[in-house]
Order: sequence, then C-alpha cells, then structure tokens
Amino acid sequence: GAVVSQHPSWVICKSGTSVKIECRSLDFQATTMFWYRQFPKQSLMLMATSNEGSKATYEQGVEKDKFLINHASLTLSTLTVTSAHPEDSSFYICSAPPGLSYEQYFGPGTRLTVT
Amino acid sequence: GENVEQHPSTLSVQEGDSAVIKCTYSDSASNYFPWYKQELGKRPQLIIDIRSNVGEKKDQRIAVTLNKTAKHFSLHITETQPEDSAVYFCAANFNKFYFGSGTKLNVKP
Repeated sequence: GAVVSQHPSWVICKSGTSVKIECRSLDFQATTMFWYRQFPKQSLMLMATSNEGSKATYEQGVEKDKFLINHASLTLSTLTVTSAHPEDSSFYICSAPPGLSYEQYFGPGTRLTVT
Repeated sequence: GENVEQHPSTLSVQEGDSAVIKCTYSDSASNYFPWYKQELGKRPQLIIDIRSNVGEKKDQRIAVTLNKTAKHFSLHITETQPEDSAVYFCAANFNKFYFGSGTKLNVKP
C-alpha cells in the first residue's frame, strides 16, 4: 500500500524558536497533502490543505503566518511552526490521497513539545 | 466546513458483546465515510469505509451502515475482543476529511 513518512517523529524546542516538520509520500505522487493537529485525548483537527505548486488553504481559525506550509514537490510537504509557544505542543499528522483515491494515507505523526 | 458529531465518547462492553458507535454529518455533499482505530501516539488506521452510493458494508466482525437521508452512519463491531480496545474515529469527506470527536472503546475480558 501507499506509504507516507514524517520527520522528525518527535522534537523538543524552546519557546520562540521555529520547527520544521516534513511529510513525504514514498511510493506515490501527491498533489495534495493535509496537515492535522491532535491534542491529547482529542480528535484530529484539519489545519490546512497543502497544494503542490500553489498556496496552502487554511481552515478557519488557523494562523497562516504561524503555520507555514510549503509543498515544493509532488512527494514533499513541510509544515513550519514559527515562534513556537508551549500551547503549540501537540501531535502533528499529515496525510495524502494516492491518485484519485478517496482514501487518505497517514504519516506516523510528529510529537512537538515546546518548553 | 463539514461538522461531524460522534457518540458515545466512551463505551465499555464485555468481551463477546457488540459495540455500536454513531456519527452524524452536516454536508450532504460528503461522499466517503471512513472509520479509523487509533492507538496512543500512533497514526489512525483505517478499519472500514463506505461510499455514499452504498448503504452497508461488512468485513468479518466489523460493519458500517450509512443513511444518507438522515446523514448518519454507524460502526458495528460484533464479538468484541480485548484487542478491540482503542479510540475510534469516524470521518466524512468531500475533498478533505473532517473527523468526529472519537469514542474510547474498552472491552472488558
């Protein structure tokens, strides 16, 4: 089946710094990828849709200047959390649909802890 | 955007009993309804899905039913086992996924 990877799997950073998370589709091309955030004991909340070669589309309430998304190739999307604060600590997961499939393939997630 | 509601938030059953989790959605354009099982700290795993042109789908002990008119769909797990204990999420999709709030299922041996 289709495989999506994320890097890093976990990261600890200091308040005020920026962190970049990578999402890669390993065996298929993805013109669209999605980024989710999941707080402990909560659901996955869609943050934004990453579109290859164009600007990302953000969900209502998500700060686009804080969560920078770049989808520079058909296999890589990056999420940069800028000026991170402790409240940004969360589990970040990406997903991508292979081709025209309805199904989404999820990355393993990145645990971000901001101290 | 789509609004997906999921009930119950927690469900405790005895091993061998059945479990039912229900979801409703708001956008009639949604056309794909997957169910995921998620273990702590891991990615969601697809366990079953249904498309809007189908009313019911079954895979061994797991089944999903869809009522498009009422905009609700349900997950049915029969003969539950302790390893079924996890958090389950429903989702509704029209170009992108919106997830329900999750159900923590506890199967007591």
